[in-house]
Amino acid sequence: AQSVAQPEDQVNVAEGNPLTVKCTYSVSGNPYLFWYVQYPNRGLQFLLKYITGDNLVKGSYGFEAEFNKSQTSFHLKKPSALVSDSALYFCAVRDGAGGYNKLIFGAGTRLAVHP
Amino acid sequence: GAGVSQTPSNKVTEKGKYVELRCDPISGHTALYWYRQSLGQGPEFLIYFQGTGAADDSGLPNDRFFAVRPEGSVSTLKIQRTERGDSAVYLCASSLAGQGQFNTQYFGPGTRLTVL
Repeated sequence: AQSVAQPEDQVNVAEGNPLTVKCTYSVSGNPYLFWYVQYPNRGLQFLLKYITGDNLVKGSYGFEAEFNKSQTSFHLKKPSALVSDSALYFCAVRDGAGGYNKLIFGAGTRLAVHP
Repeated sequence: GAGVSQTPSNKVTEKGKYVELRCDPISGHTALYWYRQSLGQGPEFLIYFQGTGAADDSGLPNDRFFAVRPEGSVSTLKIQRTERGDSAVYLCASSLAGQGQFNTQYFGPGTRLTVL
């Protein structure tokens, strides 16, 4: 079965420093990977996705993610964190059983950016 | 343009009652998904509609849960005989076709259901 793991419950970063939020995956076949962000009392907002092609994927709000097949990882990164980036981040993988596109989510990582 | 909308934003009910949660997808999106997010966890898939039909309902936890999408647009998630364990945020997402080439799913703000 497809799965993703987010090994860190929380990541703390000082504003202006680079940030990394980790995600590893387990899939059969080619992975379709996603990052979403959730702000308090709001739904999930799409950040970026990896389907195929370049291993470095650029997304919204200056975020990017690096697909690493050998390490089965898809870590989310940003060169310079903002306080407004503080939120809950979810990594997800497509479960393509039956040809459908339902998503399997990790448990989430809370990012706290301190001034 | 308008995103996915969900109503109500909050629903408090008593154990044993019936509830309906509504999702209005992005116009033109034929695929619609329901997920459930319990406290401290990531969203979990419940059901997927392509058009009017439920193509995959493998995530529905039991037969108290049912969802419809009669005209291929608005969907309603129905929960009978609610239990305290049903308390969660129910998220709806929509996308262009849900099969074959992957299309990004866009989520609504969710309905927070509390069963007392």
